[in-house]
Amino acid sequence: DGGITQSPKYLFRKEGQNVTLSCEQNLNHDAMYWYRQDPGQGLRLIYYSQIVNDFQKGDIAEGYSVSREKKESFPLTVTSAQKNPTAFYLCASSSDPQSDTQYFGPGTRLTVL
Amino acid sequence: AQSVTQLGSHVSVSEGALVLLRCNYSSSVPPYLFWYVQYPNQGLQLLLKYTSAATLVKGINGFEAEFKKSETSFHLTKPSAHMSDAAEYFCAVRAGGGADGLTFGKGTHLIIQP
Repeated sequence: DGGITQSPKYLFRKEGQNVTLSCEQNLNHDAMYWYRQDPGQGLRLIYYSQIVNDFQKGDIAEGYSVSREKKESFPLTVTSAQKNPTAFYLCASSSDPQSDTQYFGPGTRLTVL
Repeated sequence: AQSVTQLGSHVSVSEGALVLLRCNYSSSVPPYLFWYVQYPNQGLQLLLKYTSAATLVKGINGFEAEFKKSETSFHLTKPSAHMSDAAEYFCAVRAGGGADGLTFGKGTHLIIQP
């Protein structure tokens, strides 16, 4: 089945640690996105990538980093510089970033202890 | 820049009653508009999207939305609510020609009363 997978589903981190969230898609989509969701805040764009080896900052990129070495993969690293990292993180992809639908993965819930 | 406003963080309706979730947008260019649904601890599922082909858009699970340019609105409706419709609903916009991410509203939690 084609789709987007995110792992792990739940992640716990101690303050001061970096952590990497995985996002993989087998939809052959060029564009991939990372969003952060907080209660009552909707989704906010962290980073996006339209093509391999290229990515751009979104609205709330500070404290996060990404890479796009393969078309299928777009991992997100939450660094210790992120002041309030506890949130639900959603990855998405689309075949045409200008007009097409974004399809979402199941999400990763990150909790900082 | 674009923005989305969803009126009402919580909406409660009785089972079998009309569902109306409101969404107003702002965009400097013709927009693409989307409604997504999210069940607890899950990702977002597309309900429907507007891409200028028709102003009345039909989606999955009996939902539909009407694009009204004069009112800058894209309200979501369903004639008869079902208990399984209880979820969080998000309206989103992307300016036509833009290649970055979607701009989301803050969401509306739909509660279905038996």
